[in-house]
Amino acid sequence: NAGVTQTPKFRVLKTGQSMTLLCAQDMNHEYMYWYRQDPGMGLRLIHYSVGEGTTAKGEVPDGYNVSRLKKQNFLLGLESAAPSQTSVYFCASLRGQSSYNEQFFGPGTRLTVL
Amino acid sequence: AQSVTQLGSHVSVSEGALVLLRCNYSSSVPPYLFWYVQYPNQGLQLLLKYTSAATLVKGINGFEAEFKKSETSFHLTKPSAHMSDAAEYFCAVSVVPTGNQFYFGTGTSLTVIP
Repeated sequence: NAGVTQTPKFRVLKTGQSMTLLCAQDMNHEYMYWYRQDPGMGLRLIHYSVGEGTTAKGEVPDGYNVSRLKKQNFLLGLESAAPSQTSVYFCASLRGQSSYNEQFFGPGTRLTVL
Repeated sequence: AQSVTQLGSHVSVSEGALVLLRCNYSSSVPPYLFWYVQYPNQGLQLLLKYTSAATLVKGINGFEAEFKKSETSFHLTKPSAHMSDAAEYFCAVSVVPTGNQFYFGTGTSLTVIP
C-alpha cells in the first residue's frame, strides 16, 4: 500500500495563478482532510470530506475549494493564489467514524506564492 | 469548543535525559487524544493515542503519555532521549460530533543535545 500520496511535492506560483493539489489514498478510507501548516500555528483544517461527493469547511476555508468525486481522491484548488497561501499543505485520511481512529498523513506539498 | 495547548514551542534535552512535552486540552465532550511526530520534511506519524481504555498509554519508540482528566492534560514522556527523537511533536484532540475533526496544538520542537 502506498498510503496517502500528494502531488506535487513542490510548487511556485505567481499571485493570481490557479492550481490544484491532488491527494490520493489506497486504504479505502471514508474521511479525508486538507490542512495547512504554518510556523508557530500548527496544523489548521481547510476543508474535509466524510465521503465521496461530500465536502465541508474547516477552520480556514477562504480562498480554497475542494472536490471529492472519487472516494480515493481529494482535490484542493486555489483559484487565485495569494502570498498568504504560501504554506505546507498536508492531506490526511481516516477510516470510519470512530474518533479513536488515527489519521494517516501524506508527505506534504510545499507551496510558495510570489 | 475544542482546543489544544502545547506549552513550550521549543524544548531541549540532553541525550539520555527525560523528555517531557506538555499538552492540555479543552473539550466539551469526552475527548480522544493523540500525539503525532513529524520528522523534517515529512508528514505526521502517530506516536500514541488515548481512547479511554487506559489512562497510561504506551506508544512507539519508548514514548508514553498519561491522561489526567482532573488536570485536562495528556503530557508525553520518554525516560531517556535519543538523538533520533529530535523532531516536531503535535498533540491533537478529536471529537465525533464535529465530523471527526481533529484539533491540533501548535507543536513542540524537540532538540536533543549530544
